[in-house]
Amino acid sequence: EPEVTQTPSHQVTQMGQEVILRCVPISNHLYFYWYRQILGQKVEFLVSFYNNEISEKSEIFDDQFSVERPDGSNFTLKIRSTKLEDSAMYFCASTRLAGVNNEQFFGPGTRLTVL
Amino acid sequence: SQQGEEDPQALSIQEGENATMNCSYKTSINNLQWYRQNSGRGLVHLILIRSNEREKHSGRLRVTLDTSKKSSSLLITASRAADTASYFCATDAREYGNKLVFGAGTILRVKS
Repeated sequence: EPEVTQTPSHQVTQMGQEVILRCVPISNHLYFYWYRQILGQKVEFLVSFYNNEISEKSEIFDDQFSVERPDGSNFTLKIRSTKLEDSAMYFCASTRLAGVNNEQFFGPGTRLTVL
Repeated sequence: SQQGEEDPQALSIQEGENATMNCSYKTSINNLQWYRQNSGRGLVHLILIRSNEREKHSGRLRVTLDTSKKSSSLLITASRAADTASYFCATDAREYGNKLVFGAGTILRVKS
């Protein structure tokens, strides 16, 4: 069964460093998302992406964040200068349809630790 | 405003018993989805119920949706130790577009 994959599974970085989190969505899906979950807290929406552009972003998704779909398969989240509070589990999700049948499938997550 | 709040926050039952978790939300929705998360792991999609549906089944899972009360419930029948996990509801709200808004989750522990 097709699934969303993410790499790396765990990333440790120093504060101020740039990180790139990678995702490969399900191949026939058209809508892509990044969410994050700080330890012990809710899953929070970061950004949605469709037709090669951002369709919506949250307040969390400030100028330090960017997303890209560099080719037909990868979807990346870049954090330019990491802060301690960026430590969280980052989930990529994808869906084929919007609207009432918007069944989003999540990857296993990347645990980002900022020291 | 909060969207998708589950109760109880934690639930502990014996293997074989049924587990019921509830979710309330505040705005109109396209659909409501339930996910499972094992400790520190990814989110596994369990079931999606559309706003025009009232009940849906998948194996040992039964989900109901009451749009007049803006609430949903997830019933797991004949629970197993392997069902131990956190369960989240997530709403795709018309007001917010296609993003999912998650609740805080219910931690379910099934004792064998």
